[in-house]
Amino acid sequence: EVQLVESGGGLIQPGGSLRLSCAASGFTVSSNYMSWVRQAPGKGLEWVSVIYSGGATLYADSVRGRFTISRDNSKNTLFLLMNTLRAEDTAVYYCATLPSPGGLYYFDYWGQGTLVTVSS
Amino acid sequence: DIVMTQSPDSLAVSLGERATINCKSSQSVLYSSNNKNYLAWYQQKPGQPPKLLIYWASSRESGVPDRFSGSGSGTDFTLTINSLQAEDVAVYYCQQYYVTPPTFGQGTKLEIK
Repeated sequence: EVQLVESGGGLIQPGGSLRLSCAASGFTVSSNYMSWVRQAPGKGLEWVSVIYSGGATLYADSVRGRFTISRDNSKNTLFLLMNTLRAEDTAVYYCATLPSPGGLYYFDYWGQGTLVTVSS
Repeated sequence: DIVMTQSPDSLAVSLGERATINCKSSQSVLYSSNNKNYLAWYQQKPGQPPKLLIYWASSRESGVPDRFSGSGSGTDFTLTINSLQAEDVAVYYCQQYYVTPPTFGQGTKLEIK
């Protein structure tokens, strides 16, 4: 059974940094395309980033240059390092899988999400 | 980016009746080489993550009840929920995956009348 468990969210001041984790089970992170999708409070869904099974990465314009997606194959875990955080980054961050074998950008499994609040 | 626009923003339907949600994309998401529409639908219940319902505009994800169906092509799509059940109360999102970045509609809130 596929399971995704996010952690690392919290309250952070503007300009600060935070690293989110997504521990996966039931499949191998390194063999799949994986994404982060966020949802501001009371708002809709926004795709943030993807990492391909081969390691290539893509980012939304709103986070490019500030966020970095990565993974630790030995821990079967996905990460999102968020730097220079802004108030508008406040959201629940979900990790999600893209269907195998990859290349199709819809999301078939989702974690429960972790809340990031950027505020002074 | 492709803009996805859903209508209505909210609707209330009686139990056992049909609910219809529309989604329009700012450009076609039909890929001519394989004749597939790169369009997905999700259901999000309060306090839960989104759940994939439909992909390829009309293919139901495994385990999704057959009262959920998707239709449409090109730029205009519909999610239909037949025989509405109380557990179908949720926000529904369409999403295109024709181009990067993938983009979502603003959501349609479905309630019981």
